Amino acid sequence: DSGVTQTPKHLITATGQRVTLRCSPRSGDLSVYWYQQSLDQGLQFLIHYYNGEERAKGNILERFSAQQFPDLHSELNLSSLELGDSALYFCASSVGVNTGELFFGEGSRLTVL
Amino acid sequence: GDSVTQMEGPVTLSEEAFLTINCTYTATGYPSLFWYVQYPGEGLQLLLKATKADDKGSNKGFEATYRKETTSFHLEKGSVQVSDSAVYFCARLSGTYKYIFGTGTRLKVLA
Repeated sequence: DSGVTQTPKHLITATGQRVTLRCSPRSGDLSVYWYQQSLDQGLQFLIHYYNGEERAKGNILERFSAQQFPDLHSELNLSSLELGDSALYFCASSVGVNTGELFFGEGSRLTVL
Repeated sequence: GDSVTQMEGPVTLSEEAFLTINCTYTATGYPSLFWYVQYPGEGLQLLLKATKADDKGSNKGFEATYRKETTSFHLEKGSVQVSDSAVYFCARLSGTYKYIFGTGTRLKVLA
């Protein structure tokens, strides 16, 4: 158990809909990272938050947004969903802003029909 | 930009065979380098790391050496087991706060 909690574990929705994925980092970790894992593109970095502030952006679509709240949990919002958004979305946390080990949650599997 | 390139899988080996999974990185700055492993149905977990040139990371019989001259961080294990079957990811962390992963290499070890 990494100590990172992601909900929901599975989500099935239709094209055009909006979903929110939630992540609770390990106790004491200030950094949260979001990744998208799909079969053909591996693990894609989406966004990094540190202590409530956005620190880095990767290949995150404009239809996607994220935030980190004062209690350090984070949410990833996906809107106007397309079939191609079907993937496993991972959250990871770490102690600092640029420290070594990431601790991953078990992921949220999104299926868009 | 920052990137990590891994050899494509799947890699299929017999038990006790020698394993090498190649990884190269873009030489922007002086990144820290990592190998993560993902077992079926689980999230990634850190396997080993190296933070500067010539450092060797090791864990559970796996090793990787940070080679600045070849911008490589190849993963090796002398004798694989069936329980090593998983997906292995090479990653780099630079000063831009981006933690970048390779596409992953699936390893299957046959008894």
